[in-house]
Amino acid sequence: SQQGEEDPQALSIQEGENATMNCSYKTSINNLQWYRQNSGRGLVHLILIRSNEREKHSGRLRVTLDTSKKSSSLLITASRAADTASYFCATDRAQGGSEKLVFGKGTKLTVNP
Amino acid sequence: GAGVSQTPSNKVTEKGKYVELRCDPISGHTALYWYRQSLGQGPEFLIYFQGTGAADDSGLPNDRFFAVRPEGSVSTLKIQRTERGDSAVYLCASSLTSGRDTGELFFGEGSRLTVL
Repeated sequence: SQQGEEDPQALSIQEGENATMNCSYKTSINNLQWYRQNSGRGLVHLILIRSNEREKHSGRLRVTLDTSKKSSSLLITASRAADTASYFCATDRAQGGSEKLVFGKGTKLTVNP
Repeated sequence: GAGVSQTPSNKVTEKGKYVELRCDPISGHTALYWYRQSLGQGPEFLIYFQGTGAADDSGLPNDRFFAVRPEGSVSTLKIQRTERGDSAVYLCASSLTSGRDTGELFFGEGSRLTVL
């Protein structure tokens, strides 16, 4: 079943602009993760934020988590053409579930040079 | 190599045939996951192993799908009597996590299955 839902489904921006993607989920979680996937490739882990954290940074990435709204956002600052990819959020369930990660449908980001 | 290795990278088969997809995880990773990804969709969970045992196989769509990990390392996903709807990219991932808090997954490049 779908746990995370990203929006927008697609986002097109110019190089240098910031890109913001959102993720909503339904059940309590232990952590939320963001992954990136280049076309035709496997997924690459970007960042993990735990349920007791509100914000986390990694290079040009900033992730926020609002457990009261069951939502997260991924911000990519000063985007580059190489950031063009699909971005997925993934959650694990805090109660009654196994350690599996459930992924959303993703946001397809295009950064135009 | 140091990453998760999946073979074959591409498999074309005919409806009704049997298929095996192999995953070689990162050495020392106790957790192994299989996902399926259709075009334009996110990865769909199939099965998760902790060591040799399947800790959660709730994502396997039906009894035509089966996966094993006999020695706690390499895993094989087996699909019997393939159907056209089985066409997808099958992704394998491994992780160091052994507790209830799921950590970072390391993905392979996937096996693209096409059923004609």
